[in-house]
Amino acid sequence: DQQVKQNSPSLSVQEGRISILNCDYTNSMFDYFLWYKKYPAEGPTFLISISSIKDKNEDGRFTVFLNKSAKHLSLHIVPSQPGDSAVYFCAAISMDSNYQLIWGAGTKLIIKP
Amino acid sequence: NAGVTQTPKFRVLKTGQSMTLLCAQDMNHEYMYWYRQDPGMGLRLIHYSVGEGTTAKGEVPDGYNVSRLKKQNFLLGLESAAPSQTSVYFCAIRTGTDAQYFGPGTRLTVL
Repeated sequence: DQQVKQNSPSLSVQEGRISILNCDYTNSMFDYFLWYKKYPAEGPTFLISISSIKDKNEDGRFTVFLNKSAKHLSLHIVPSQPGDSAVYFCAAISMDSNYQLIWGAGTKLIIKP
Repeated sequence: NAGVTQTPKFRVLKTGQSMTLLCAQDMNHEYMYWYRQDPGMGLRLIHYSVGEGTTAKGEVPDGYNVSRLKKQNFLLGLESAAPSQTSVYFCAIRTGTDAQYFGPGTRLTVL
């Protein structure tokens, strides 16, 4: 049973436009949500996180939105740049699980020039 | 990679062989994790440690053992490798915030 789902395996966006990556979860006990970016042959890199008590967190071109009632979060990248092409993973933490991350399957983002 | 190194970077094993993957951190963080990543899937937690001398099972622990004898090192062992253990293995540390920081990965192929 997947607790964190990323239903789009891939997404293609024009350079300069907004990229929106989506993530759904089922466990209402999750306390934090994180987005990671991964290039081929490298480890995942932490991008941005959001606490379950917030509905928005912004860091430069990256904004994460959390809708707790819908159990949905999204990552917005504005404007999209070629270097943003990567696989993006959504992950969630439940504080009572020794900070174990539960991961989505990832969305491959392709930025077209 | 926040001071997390993994050894080796690549390895090819035959079924039944054993090996140990080393994760080393150059800081003093308590939490360390071992994950595997397979195509089309998110990372899955194998084992983790919340401090020197402690280990705990994650989501997919079968076929693996771990040890944390020194705080800086977290070892992942395969006693008898199987083709199903062909994967990319990542080590991570938790730095005191919510996020985990990852090493560069070890690509393991079991023939």
